[in-house]
Amino acid sequence: DGGITQSPKYLFRKEGQNVTLSCEQNLNHDAMYWYRQDPGQGLRLIYYSQIVNDFQKGDIAEGYSVSREKKESFPLTVTSAQKNPTAFYLCASSKGLAGVKDTQYFGPGTRLTVL
Amino acid sequence: AQTVTQSQPEMSVQEAETVTLSCTYDTSESDYYLFWYKQPPSRQMILVIRQEAYKQQNATENRFSVNFQKAAKSFSLKISDSQLGDAAMYFCAYRSGHSGGYQKVTFGTGTKLQVIP
Repeated sequence: DGGITQSPKYLFRKEGQNVTLSCEQNLNHDAMYWYRQDPGQGLRLIYYSQIVNDFQKGDIAEGYSVSREKKESFPLTVTSAQKNPTAFYLCASSKGLAGVKDTQYFGPGTRLTVL
Repeated sequence: AQTVTQSQPEMSVQEAETVTLSCTYDTSESDYYLFWYKQPPSRQMILVIRQEAYKQQNATENRFSVNFQKAAKSFSLKISDSQLGDAAMYFCAYRSGHSGGYQKVTFGTGTKLQVIP
């Protein structure tokens, strides 16, 4: 089955640690995205990548880093510089073409809690 | 910048009844796309329905339909014959229709729908 997987489902981090969230897709999509979701808020874009080996900052990139070495994978690292990292993180992908075909599809998410 | 407003933080509906969720948006563009996503308790975002602004006909997907009023910048979601599985958070989203390059998707803050048996 084609889809987007995220791991782990739950992640606990001690203050001062970096952690990496995994996102993999087998939809053959060119574009991938990372969003953060906090209670009572919509989704906020952290980073996006339209093609392998290229990515751009979103609205709230500070304290986060990404890589895009493979088309299928777009891992997100939450660094110790992120002051309030406890949140739900959603990865998405899309074909990357203009128009309705560029609809974003989402993975199941990772809940990150800082202890 | 585009904004998306969902003015109903929570709504409830009796099972088998019809409910309408509201969404308004602000844009100066004429070409854009609108989406409704559902986020059930599992928290995975699921695409419910999408609308292209240049199409006058309202999109329909089984029990889900939209009322797209372009002049009023309104994009409401109607759920007919509500089922218990429809209980979820619903997000309205906007994306510019500019061709080429990345076009940001702007999400509303969501409406939590409760379905009463």
